Amino acid sequence: KQEVTQIPAALSVPEGENLVLNCSFTDSAIYNLQWFRQDPGKGLTSLLLIQSSQREQTSGRLNASLDKSSGRSTLYIAASQPGDSATYLCAVRPQGYSTLTFGKGTMLLVSP
Amino acid sequence: GAGVSQSPRYKVAKRGQDVALRCDPISGHVSLFWYQQALGQGPEFLTYFQNEAQLDKSGLPSDRFFAERPEGSVSTLKIQRTQQEDSAVYLCASSPGYEQYFGPGTRLTVT
Repeated sequence: KQEVTQIPAALSVPEGENLVLNCSFTDSAIYNLQWFRQDPGKGLTSLLLIQSSQREQTSGRLNASLDKSSGRSTLYIAASQPGDSATYLCAVRPQGYSTLTFGKGTMLLVSP
Repeated sequence: GAGVSQSPRYKVAKRGQDVALRCDPISGHVSLFWYQQALGQGPEFLTYFQNEAQLDKSGLPSDRFFAERPEGSVSTLKIQRTQQEDSAVYLCASSPGYEQYFGPGTRLTVT
């Protein structure tokens, strides 16, 4: 059974810092990996999707990498801002399945 | 364009009551998913539809949970005889293929 782990569970940084969120998964047979953002009381907003054949994806200040063989993905946030404060969730779609398996998330607080 | 919508946004039910949660997917999206998110946890898969066919219901925690999508568009998740452990946020997502798009969720509190 696929398991997804996110480290750290919580992170507090001052504004302007570059930071890395980590995601690991136990079964490398994945179709794709998605990073989501969740604000308190809200649904999930998709940030980046990496197909299994890709190594990384970039959107603005966000960069996500994927190392399928080692079962790891990282989300890099450059020049963090208070508006980046949210919970970040990593989810994998196993090969042969349409559903997503999520980690528990990393709660990020960026202070001014 | 309109995203995935869910109603109600909040629901309080007394233990033993039945509840029905509605999901309106993005128009044209073939796939629809339901997830349950407990406090402080990541979402967990409940069930999956492709058009009107329920292809996977392996995540439904008990036979008190039932989902339908009769015309391949709107979906309803029904929970019978609610219990306190059913308290969670219920998220709906739709997908045209690769990527899933989530609604705002329904927060269910069972008292």
